[in-house]
Amino acid sequence: SYVLTQSPSVSVAPGQTARITCGGNNIASKSVHWYQQRPGQAPVLVVYDDSDRPSGIPERFSGSNSANTATLTISRVEAGDEADYYCQVWNSSRVWVFGGGTKLTVL
Amino acid sequence: QVQLVQSGAEVKKPGASVKVSCKASGYSFSNYYMHWVRQAPGQGLEWMGIINPSGGSTSYAQQFQGRVTLTRDTSTNTVYMELSSLRFEDTAVYYCARNYGSGSQGYWGQGTLVIVSS
Repeated sequence: SYVLTQSPSVSVAPGQTARITCGGNNIASKSVHWYQQRPGQAPVLVVYDDSDRPSGIPERFSGSNSANTATLTISRVEAGDEADYYCQVWNSSRVWVFGGGTKLTVL
Repeated sequence: QVQLVQSGAEVKKPGASVKVSCKASGYSFSNYYMHWVRQAPGQGLEWMGIINPSGGSTSYAQQFQGRVTLTRDTSTNTVYMELSSLRFEDTAVYYCARNYGSGSQGYWGQGTLVIVSS
């Protein structure tokens, strides 16, 4: 089955840029979705289809996808961005796969 | 506005089954697929399966094949997730989530905690 690999943790100071990566074999051929999950809350979709944002998601959140790595970029990081972030792709036969998640710490 | 309201927490014994409901409102129920995702304590998200509320067709993650059944009731705009032969490791929060763009999950229920304990 298809495997998505995320770094366990990323740390960034407020106001800086956070980059969270998601690795997968030829992931550029797939549409990647990204979710934010704050402690005790349900996940929130922040980027879909590699780089589109649902309504209500700040422009600070952006995505890209190339070769074997997809990236979620959070610009001008705020304390409220501290959360777990998960990538996801549709594998095949209507089966979806999540990455293991990355904990973003705002220093 | 889109709302997904799930049933309350459950405590089950190993070997039993659990059925979690997810009542949808604020949109045309039959037009959007519904996913189920679970999260064990301190762990990541795990996709379980998907149902097409229109025709009832389903697809399941391989690790749940034979143990999970997704159904829907179009008269009440409700989808159900039943998990059988429960094990201790099935203790988790179970979420329903409505399809958004390109199969993403854009709207989520509040989650239902299922505890498997003897």
